[in-house]
Amino acid sequence: DAGVIQSPRHEVTEMGQEVTLRCKPISGHNSLFWYRQTMMRGLELLIYFNNNVPIDDSGMPEDRFSAKMPNASFSTLKIQPSEPRDSAVYFCASSLITLAGGRNEQFFGPGTRLTVL
Amino acid sequence: TQLLEQSPQFLSIQEGENLTVYCNSSSVFSSLQWYRQEPGEGPVLLVTVVTGGEVKKLKRLTFQFGDARKDSSLHITAAQPGDTGLYLCAGARTGANNLFFGTGTRLTVIP
Repeated sequence: DAGVIQSPRHEVTEMGQEVTLRCKPISGHNSLFWYRQTMMRGLELLIYFNNNVPIDDSGMPEDRFSAKMPNASFSTLKIQPSEPRDSAVYFCASSLITLAGGRNEQFFGPGTRLTVL
Repeated sequence: TQLLEQSPQFLSIQEGENLTVYCNSSSVFSSLQWYRQEPGEGPVLLVTVVTGGEVKKLKRLTFQFGDARKDSSLHITAAQPGDTGLYLCAGARTGANNLFFGTGTRLTVIP
C-alpha cells in the first residue's frame, strides 16, 4: 500500500506566482481532505471532498485558493497568486467514510512544504 | 475558536518519566482519535476510541475516552526519545465527514 502521495515535497516560489499542489489518495478511499499547518495556527482544514464532490470549502482562506478533484485518484490545490503568508506545510489526507459513520479515520500524506518569498 | 483544546501545549521530560496529555471539549463526539506527527512527516493515526469510558492500550501508551465522550487523555509510561513528536487529538461528530483537530501537544523526551 503506497499510502497518500503528495507532490512536490518542497516548493519555493516568488510572490505572485501560481502554485499547484498535487495529491493521490489511497485507492478505495472516498473522501479527501486538504489541510494547512503552521506553528501559529496549527492544523487547519481547508476543504474536503466526498466522492469527488466538494462538500465544505469554508476553510479556504481566500479566492486565491482553489481545489479540484477530477477523479477518485487525483486532487489539486492551487494558489494564484501566491503570497508570503501562504507559506506553510500543506497536507492531503484520505478516508473511507461509510454509511455507519463514526470513526472517519484519516490517513495523511507526507505534506508539501511551501515557501513563498 | 478551537473545538478541542489540548494541554499542555508543550512538554519536555526526561527519558523514563510518565506523562499525561489532555484533550478537552464542551462538545460530544461519536469517536475520538489520537495522532502522532514527527518532524517532516504527516500525522499518523495511533488509536480510535468510540465508547464513553473506553480505555485502549498501545504498548506504553494508554488512551481513555471520557464517560460523556467530550474529552480524552493519553498517558505514556516510561517515556522514550522515540515518543518525541506532536500529539494531536481529533474528534468525529455524527453526520459530519470531517474531523475536528485539537490544538496539539508538542512532546520532547530527553535521553
